[in-house]
Amino acid sequence: GENVEQHPSTLSVQEGDSAVIKCTYSDSASNYFPWYKQELGKRPQLIIDIRSNVGEKKDQRIAVTLNKTAKHFSLHITETQPEDSAVYFCAANLILGYQKVTFGTGTKLQVIP
Amino acid sequence: GAGVSQSPSNKVTEKGKDVELRCDPISGHTALYWYRQSLGQGLEFLIYFQGNSAPDKSGLPSDRFSAERTGGSVSTLTIQRTQQEDSAVYLCASSLGALVGDEQFFGPGTRLTVL
Repeated sequence: GENVEQHPSTLSVQEGDSAVIKCTYSDSASNYFPWYKQELGKRPQLIIDIRSNVGEKKDQRIAVTLNKTAKHFSLHITETQPEDSAVYFCAANLILGYQKVTFGTGTKLQVIP
Repeated sequence: GAGVSQSPSNKVTEKGKDVELRCDPISGHTALYWYRQSLGQGLEFLIYFQGNSAPDKSGLPSDRFSAERTGGSVSTLTIQRTQQEDSAVYLCASSLGALVGDEQFFGPGTRLTVL
């Protein structure tokens, strides 16, 4: 089955700096890669996603890059703000008529004011 | 509109008891997922429903775990003879379908504590 590794497990940055979270996956058939943000005590929410036929996607301060050959994808947050503090999860989805989702173990991001 | 809801929000039970967790997906969503999130861990896939059928039960940890979905809507996850290692937050998610880009919307979760 699919295996997703996520690094780092914790990340502290100064407000205004950039944050990068990296994930690798094992199944080359995975074709959809969403990122979720989970604030303390709240449910995960989708923040950005990328499909396997796209190399990069950007939405304001958030961007995701995908390297299919190397089987890794990354989340980039620029100009970080305190409200970006949360746990971020990457996921690899295998769409086989349904979504077979494997999540990474999460990165706790702390933005220091 | 209403999002995914789950009940109860918290459940404390004694080891060996059975528990039922409920998920109400967003109306019209055909796909429903159950996940388990242990403290400080990622989300562990348990089971997926398309309509009332479960084509993928591969994530269920043991035969003590079962789930059903009726009317293409409400789903219940049942854990029999609970063990302490079952303590976790159980999250339900639904999506319109199961195509690429069909966003999964999560419920608030049920925090299960087995004493």
